Amino acid sequence: DADVTQTPRNRITKTGKRIMLECSQTKGHDRMYWYRQDPGLGLRLIYYSFDVKDINKGEISDGYSVSRQAQAKFSLSLESAIPNQTALYFCATSDLTQGKQFFGPGTRLTVL
Amino acid sequence: GENVEQHPSTLSVQEGDSAVIKCTYSDSASNYFPWYKQELGKGPQLIIDIRSNVGEKKDQRIAVTLNKTAKHFSLHITETQPEDSAVYFCAANSGYSTLTFGKGTMLLVSP
Repeated sequence: DADVTQTPRNRITKTGKRIMLECSQTKGHDRMYWYRQDPGLGLRLIYYSFDVKDINKGEISDGYSVSRQAQAKFSLSLESAIPNQTALYFCATSDLTQGKQFFGPGTRLTVL
Repeated sequence: GENVEQHPSTLSVQEGDSAVIKCTYSDSASNYFPWYKQELGKGPQLIIDIRSNVGEKKDQRIAVTLNKTAKHFSLHITETQPEDSAVYFCAANSGYSTLTFGKGTMLLVSP
């Protein structure tokens, strides 16, 4: 969905490096999410935020942190990347009333 | 928490055939069940959803059915076309508007 953008789209980094993935949305939604996708495992929730002052851990938050800089921006950080964090990362947004989630195009992260 | 099981993991059909993907969920409090289609290199796209106050919903060639008693819901695609080839995910809401996803079904439609 073009209303949800992610940067970078691809990133290769080395073990131990700090990485930040960014998500921006123009949908005006309050709720934002970060997911990780691995082959055969589906989409797993890392962190979510229901407004600027609200941050919640998801199913697999260990090794990750997030920052909600504004209603439209939600960043995911890997403080010290490790190879098993190699995956596709998706940002999503939803509104308060419908609950429908809309996904960005994803970031492919490779940790060597 | 919620647990969503999805079957099959892969599904191959001939163009024009129907395809059915099934999901079960564990939390009887879940009341929202979306389906997503993910094409290669893209993010998941919402294609249809259903809420627990209805048993069936249709949108052209796509339909979703929900059986709350058995806690399962299904995606039905009729008259499949090659462009239907993709990975499909079911999901169920859990807690405060978060979603738990199934592991996905890779659908291949052969011409």
